[in-house]
Formats: sequence, C-alpha cells, structure tokens
Amino acid sequence: AQTVTQSQPEMSVQEAETVTLSCTYDTSENNYYLFWYKQPPSRQMILVIRQEAYKQQNATENRFSVNFQKAAKSFSLKISDSQLGDTAMYFCAFMRPSGTASKLTFGTGTRLQVTL
Amino acid sequence: SAVISQKPSRDICQRGTSLTIQCQVDSQVTMMFWYRQQPGQSLTLIATANQGSEATYESGFVIDKFPISRPNLTFSTLTVSNMSPEDSSIYLCSVHPRGAPAGKLFFGSGTQLSVL
Repeated sequence: AQTVTQSQPEMSVQEAETVTLSCTYDTSENNYYLFWYKQPPSRQMILVIRQEAYKQQNATENRFSVNFQKAAKSFSLKISDSQLGDTAMYFCAFMRPSGTASKLTFGTGTRLQVTL
Repeated sequence: SAVISQKPSRDICQRGTSLTIQCQVDSQVTMMFWYRQQPGQSLTLIATANQGSEATYESGFVIDKFPISRPNLTFSTLTVSNMSPEDSSIYLCSVHPRGAPAGKLFFGSGTQLSVL
C-alpha cells in the first residue's frame, strides 16, 4: 500500500516570503501522480498543483512550484511571494494510474499560517 | 470544472441516530467519492459511488454503517448510521468530472458532524 508522509504539522511564513512544505511517499509503482491540495477555512479542498511521475520537469503553477525527486520519493511544495490567502491546510496526495479511478491517498497535512 | 453543493453544512446529533448527507453536482459525473476527515487527521476514502451500481467500499468501511445512494449522474447521498462519538468528523463529497486531468478532484465544502 502507498503511504504519504508530511512531517511538518504546522508552518508559518511572513507575507511576501517563500516557504517550502515537505512530502515523502512510499510506493513500488513506477508510474503515478502526485498532488498538492489546499484546504482553506471554508473546508473546500482545491487542487494546487499536479505532477506526473514520468515527467522529469517540475510542475509550476504561478507562485507554486514543486521539487520532485523520484529516486528519493520526495515531493515538496514551494510557495513564493506568500499571500494571506495562502493560509490553509496543505495536503500532499498520491494516486496510482487512472485505472484506479482517481483514488487518492492523502498525507496528514501541514497547516500553513501566513502572517503580516 | 464542477460546482458541488453539500448539505447539511454541519449538524450535531445524538448517539444511535442516523444522518443523511446530500451531494449535488452541477454537471453529470461518472464517479463520486465520499471521504472522511477525522479531527486533525487526513482524508480517508470511504467509498466510490457509481451510478447504477452498488458503491465500492474501502477497507474498514461497510455498507450497513455507511449506506450510499446514487440515483443519477448528479446526485448522491451518504448516510452515517447508528452514530457514535467516534463518527464525529468532516464528511466530504468529491467528483472527477469527465475530461478533467487524472486525479483532479472537485470537492464540496463538507459536512461537519458532531455526535454527542
């Protein structure tokens, strides 16, 4: 079974600064997908960024980028120019290829607080 | 994309009673997923609800405790039966719309359930 580990329960960053959230995972698969989801206080989960394991290039979405290290099974999220609206729980997630009907395995989350 | 309306937003229930949570999507989707998020913990998949067939339950979850209905392609319900305080959680409905990238799920705002 796949496991996803987020070792930072809470983090804090000042507005406009950069923060990196860590995630490691364990799998015997060669092809898979990795995700970062954001859960703001409204509770509605939102996809932040998505990485396909067969792509070596790190995914980027505006201020959000990942550092995907396949051999190390590491998938960290970097948030640049942090904004107050980035305050949320961030969940790292793993998914086997699409034959498994979009079943995601989530980590335990990192609570990010962006301060003035 | 998909817009998901989930009701109720929150409820406080007595032990031994049952609660039915509704999930309405603004477009037709093949798969709907029900997740549980226990306090301070990650999201755990309860079951996958397919239209026209019985739901597929994950290990540790059974139909008698969490019956699911999926009468059409835009609606599903999850019932939490014979509740105990251990069922106090946030319950989240999610969907994977047709054409969305693999693993890109859209979530409702969740139902926060407290069982006394």
